[in-house]
Amino acid sequence: EPEVTQTPSHQVTQMGQEVILRCVPISNHLYFYWYRQILGQKVEFLVSFYNNEISEKSEIFDDQFSVERPDGSNFTLKIRSTKLEDSAMYFCASSEERDGARNTIYFGEGSWLTVV
Amino acid sequence: EDQVTQSPEALRLQEGESSSLNCSYTVSGLRGLFWYRQDPGKGPEFLFTLYSAGEEKEKERLKATLTKKESFLHITAPKPEDSATYLCAVPNYGGATNKLIFGTGTLLAVQP
Repeated sequence: EPEVTQTPSHQVTQMGQEVILRCVPISNHLYFYWYRQILGQKVEFLVSFYNNEISEKSEIFDDQFSVERPDGSNFTLKIRSTKLEDSAMYFCASSEERDGARNTIYFGEGSWLTVV
Repeated sequence: EDQVTQSPEALRLQEGESSSLNCSYTVSGLRGLFWYRQDPGKGPEFLFTLYSAGEEKEKERLKATLTKKESFLHITAPKPEDSATYLCAVPNYGGATNKLIFGTGTLLAVQP
């Protein structure tokens, strides 16, 4: 069964360092997302990406964050200068369509980021 | 603003003891309601999508139902392997994509 894959599964970084989280969405999907979950809290939306551009972003997704689809298969989230409060599980997700019967959003296993 | 509220926060069942989880929602126009299962340290695993009031879907011991204001996830004769956090989410459409608004989840523990 096709799945969203993420790397690394866990990363520890020093405050102020740059981090890149990588994702390979499901191959025929066109809509890509990043969500995050702080320990013990809700899963929350960060950003959506379609047709090679950001479609929507949350208040969390400030200038320190960026996303990129560098080739036909990868989708990355970069945090430019990490803060302690960026420590969370980051989930990549993808869907085939935006609406209708194929709008199910499938999630990867997550990248656990610890900022020290 | 779209909102999703799940109850109870936590539920402990004995193996075989059936129960239901609740998800109530407030959205401007429902275009689907999603149920996911999340194991500790893992990503949400898709279970069901419901699109209209009265719709029901089943998968093994789980059955999801939808009304105009809430959804229920019924668990029949649960087993310890059903222990997980169950998340409910509704899509909020903005621009070319949609984003999911999640509830806080129900942590289910099934004891043998």
